[in-house]
Amino acid sequence: GQQLNQNPQSMFIQEGEDVSMNCTSSSIFNTWLWYKQDPGEGPVLLIALYKAGELTSNGRLTAQFGITRKDSFLNISASIPSDVGIYFCDGGTYKYIFGTGTRLKVLA
Amino acid sequence: KAGVTQTPRYLIKTRGQQVTLSCSPISGHRSVSWYQQTPGQGLQFLFEYFSETQRNKGNFPGRFSGRQFSNSRSEMNVSTLELGDSALYLCASSLERRGQDIQYFGAGTRLSVL
Repeated sequence: GQQLNQNPQSMFIQEGEDVSMNCTSSSIFNTWLWYKQDPGEGPVLLIALYKAGELTSNGRLTAQFGITRKDSFLNISASIPSDVGIYFCDGGTYKYIFGTGTRLKVLA
Repeated sequence: KAGVTQTPRYLIKTRGQQVTLSCSPISGHRSVSWYQQTPGQGLQFLFEYFSETQRNKGNFPGRFSGRQFSNSRSEMNVSTLELGDSALYLCASSLERRGQDIQYFGAGTRLSVL
């Protein structure tokens, strides 16, 4: 079945550092969605991407739709403690499948 | 506009019991999906309801069932609870956007089976 692999699975970073994570699949997608889940809450949509090569920003977050349409990337610049949480990717075409998640912990 | 509301937020049950969880979608959303989230398995799709009909189903046993009412509110039921059913159960409602669904999640119901 469809599978979305996220890397890294978890990361500890210092406040102020930049963060990079990705989501890859063996299948082609027409949409990539990135969600963030705060502890004890449901996932919240951060960024939606609809076209190969598209680069979209939301504040300190920037996401890119890979040219091959099989991957997507999320970058967080100048991380702050409230960035802690789990980041999920979602290939919207197969909307029932989420990535395995990247757990981010920010050390003040 | 109110978000997706799930009740209750926390629930403790014992093995063999059954449980019903409730989800009220965002007003105007007609699709409701349910997910099970566990630390080891991530987000696993249970089923989706659209206009009171189950439109898609994940790979879960028949003990897991759901339904949707005419006002789009949805319930899921788990019968004969097992220890492994302990998880966060998330409900999401969908608004179609550019032909691809964006899902809006509730805060979840945390179920503990003892």
